[in-house]
Amino acid sequence: GNSVTQMEGPVTLSEEAFLTINCTYTATGYPSLFWYVQYPGEGLQLLLKATKADDKGSNKGFEATYRKETTSFHLEKGSVQVSDSAVYFCALSDLANQAGTALIFGKGTTLSVSS
Amino acid sequence: DVKVTQSSRYLVKRTGEKVFLECVQDMDHENMFWYRQDPGLGLRLIYFSYDVKMKEKGDIPEGYSVSREKKERFSLILESASTNQTSMYLCASTKDRVRTGELFFGEGSRLTVL
Repeated sequence: GNSVTQMEGPVTLSEEAFLTINCTYTATGYPSLFWYVQYPGEGLQLLLKATKADDKGSNKGFEATYRKETTSFHLEKGSVQVSDSAVYFCALSDLANQAGTALIFGKGTTLSVSS
Repeated sequence: DVKVTQSSRYLVKRTGEKVFLECVQDMDHENMFWYRQDPGLGLRLIYFSYDVKMKEKGDIPEGYSVSREKKERFSLILESASTNQTSMYLCASTKDRVRTGELFFGEGSRLTVL
């Protein structure tokens, strides 16, 4: 079945460091790919998305490119801030689902940025 | 602004109690979802609904049921709560199929079953 695997956390970085959070997926067909972020005490919110191969999603300095050949959607940011401390979830749309409406999430990666 | 509201942020219940978790969205979305979030397991889909009175099982429906009598409201029901249902429960909604659409999440309901 469809699945998402993302790197284990926690990831601990100093402010202004480069961030990569790896995400790979297994899917039939051509799913859309997403990164969601959960700040402490809040629900999840969409960070960025890509709907087809080679698309690059970007938002708030974060980027991820939909790589069909490597089935990956790695999240990157050139210079992290303390305010980026959160849990990051990679997700894909479950095309096997009849209604085509559900997302499959990875287990989440906790990022902690110190000043 | 888009809003998904979950009725309770924190609940403490006893084993065997019936528990209702309510979720309301104000965006006229067709699709609504209940996920549970556990450390090390991420988010797992319990049930979803793509129309009033319609429901579909997700990956972990055992021990849960749902109700969607009105478009804006989606309720999760634990008929007889057990300690392994202690978790964070997240409600979400979307208008479009998530191939292109965005899921909007509530802030979560943290349930503790003693």
